[in-house]
Amino acid sequence: DTGVSQNPRHKITKRGQNVTFRCDPISEHNRLYWYRQTLGQGPEFLTYFQNEAQLEKSRLLSDRFSAERPKGSFSTLEIQRTEQGDSAMYLCASSSYWGGGQETQYFGPGTRLLVL
Amino acid sequence: QKEVEQNSGPLSVPEGAIASLNCTYSDRGSQSFFWYRQYSGKSPELIMSIYSNGDKEDGRFTAQLNKASQYVSLLIRDSQPSDSATYLCAVSMEYGNKLVFGAGTILRVKS
Repeated sequence: DTGVSQNPRHKITKRGQNVTFRCDPISEHNRLYWYRQTLGQGPEFLTYFQNEAQLEKSRLLSDRFSAERPKGSFSTLEIQRTEQGDSAMYLCASSSYWGGGQETQYFGPGTRLLVL
Repeated sequence: QKEVEQNSGPLSVPEGAIASLNCTYSDRGSQSFFWYRQYSGKSPELIMSIYSNGDKEDGRFTAQLNKASQYVSLLIRDSQPSDSATYLCAVSMEYGNKLVFGAGTILRVKS
């Protein structure tokens, strides 16, 4: 069990560019979550997948954001036409949840995005 | 009103003392409660989870839940300088769902 991994760990981009982040969950975890965290705040939910199905997307999430988990394993989060307000730490978490009980989410190291 | 509220701190305690961190939540139907520790520049690390009213102990950590008062707390006994971090309270409105986080409480343990 190697933990959740995220790549890249840091990304600097210019406003208007597109960026894509990757998350590899803990092996055999069926759920994968994306959160965003800005300085001085707790993580904020963006979206989550159960296997390859995207089950919920935050109402706060702009249509510039899209996420996929095509084979139910790794996931990608793409931000199109980045804005300075997108600068944040993007966190991925995974869990093993099969219904009817408790779920524990384990976080990856995050991708820190800076939009200039 | 924020869904999950925490005192931002910083909370300063001397080494060896008990640190008490508090959290209130707004949704009375919330089912799952978590405490995560986050060091500066790092990602959240799970410390404790609690699902039923009462206390749950794990080593130096005790989580307390009072659903009637919509209140969760974390006690850290024998605080160490390495406990200095931001402590995030997270709540899930139903089993198997997204987490809603508070803004975190900064804890400083002075040696």
